[in-house]
Amino acid sequence: AQSVTQPDIHITVSEGASLELRCNYSYGATPYLFWYVQSPGQGLQLLLKYFSGDTLVQGIKGFEAEFKRSQSSFNLRKPSVHWSDAAEYFCAVGHFGNEKLTFGTGTRLTIIP
Amino acid sequence: DSGVTQTPKHLITATGQRVTLRCSPRSGDLSVYWYQQSLDQGLQFLIQYYNGEERAKGNILERFSAQQFPDLHSELNLSSLELGDSALYFCASSPKTSSYNEQFFGPGTRLTVL
Repeated sequence: AQSVTQPDIHITVSEGASLELRCNYSYGATPYLFWYVQSPGQGLQLLLKYFSGDTLVQGIKGFEAEFKRSQSSFNLRKPSVHWSDAAEYFCAVGHFGNEKLTFGTGTRLTIIP
Repeated sequence: DSGVTQTPKHLITATGQRVTLRCSPRSGDLSVYWYQQSLDQGLQFLIQYYNGEERAKGNILERFSAQQFPDLHSELNLSSLELGDSALYFCASSPKTSSYNEQFFGPGTRLTVL
């Protein structure tokens, strides 16, 4: 069965600082990987996705993520965070032939001035 | 705005009651997914419908059921409600069946069971 681990429950970052959110997955074959963001009171919005090809993927709002098969990781990065990035971030995994996404427990991001 | 609509936005009810949550997918999307988000269980997949047919089932309780209608909107029915059913229920839609396709999430329905 596929699973996702987000080891950091809560991260606090200063505005303008760089950000890396960790995600590790467990799945035998090539996974489909996603990062979603959830702002307070809102639904989930897709930031980026990886299916195949270039292991560094670019997303919306200046986010990027790198797929590392050897580490079973798909970490989310942003070089300089903005106060509006404060939200909950979810990593998710799927694969071909499986209809559902399995989500991690999420990482809450707090931005301080 | 993802294009997925969910009603109602908030729902407060009592234990033992039955409620219906409604979801309208994005125009043209054939698949509808239901998820439950709670503090203790996180975000969990409940069930998926594709063009009116049940396609996949996750951690959905027997007290819960869903259907997708010919106009592709979907309803999630929750019965014999318990305190632990209090959660945020999301609907998502996608054009096809595989998770290869991005799922677009609605704003959710917050259910409070008192």
